[in-house]
Amino acid sequence: QKEVEQNSGPLSVPEGAIASLNCTYSDRGSQSFFWYRQYSGKSPELIMFIYSNGDKEDGRFTAQLNKASQYVSLLIRDSQPSDSATYLCAVPRGYNNNDMRFGAGTRLTVKP
Amino acid sequence: DAGITQSPRHKVTETGTPVTLRCHQTENHRYMYWYRQDPGHGLRLIHYSYGVKDTDKGEVSDGYSVSRSKTEDFLLTLESATSSQTSVYFCAISEGGRSSYEQYFGPGTRLTVT
Repeated sequence: QKEVEQNSGPLSVPEGAIASLNCTYSDRGSQSFFWYRQYSGKSPELIMFIYSNGDKEDGRFTAQLNKASQYVSLLIRDSQPSDSATYLCAVPRGYNNNDMRFGAGTRLTVKP
Repeated sequence: DAGITQSPRHKVTETGTPVTLRCHQTENHRYMYWYRQDPGHGLRLIHYSYGVKDTDKGEVSDGYSVSRSKTEDFLLTLESATSSQTSVYFCAISEGGRSSYEQYFGPGTRLTVT
């Protein structure tokens, strides 16, 4: 079992819809969780982080964390074509916040 | 790219030659990281540094060494490059400390080993 798992996609949604991206992790000791967006040929860009159970909202983005079930999700409301990218989930290994493990990423396409 | 530069941005080298990649930051962040990104594997941590001359291994450290003699510079060396080290290499930085674990990435270096 990979330490951080994501559906590779591609996930395709129409413009204006909600895109839902999911991530599961194996290390119950992990304390912080990150979502990165990566456009093709570019470097990963941090878009959300969450440390506590529940929801965290930032503009059109909502991160949801459920430590008991070991999953973290990212919702993108009112999806735009500019949201088309690969989304990477990142989870530190245990209590070492420097030893970051990334999922392979979910490729999202938002169709006009 | 949060005040992070990487050099070179592209490099083609031959098997068996040494290669050094440089990461330079202007943010005065304590932590610096080297990752490689390959199709199907995502980003994998090679080494990281938690201060000048302080480094630790990551998930895929074999065949790589690092050095940090100044806060702003973190070097990644492939002592004898192999074709399996063909990849895109990203440097990242983070401030560290409580609630400051967010990592910010440089533009990347595309390395091809022939």
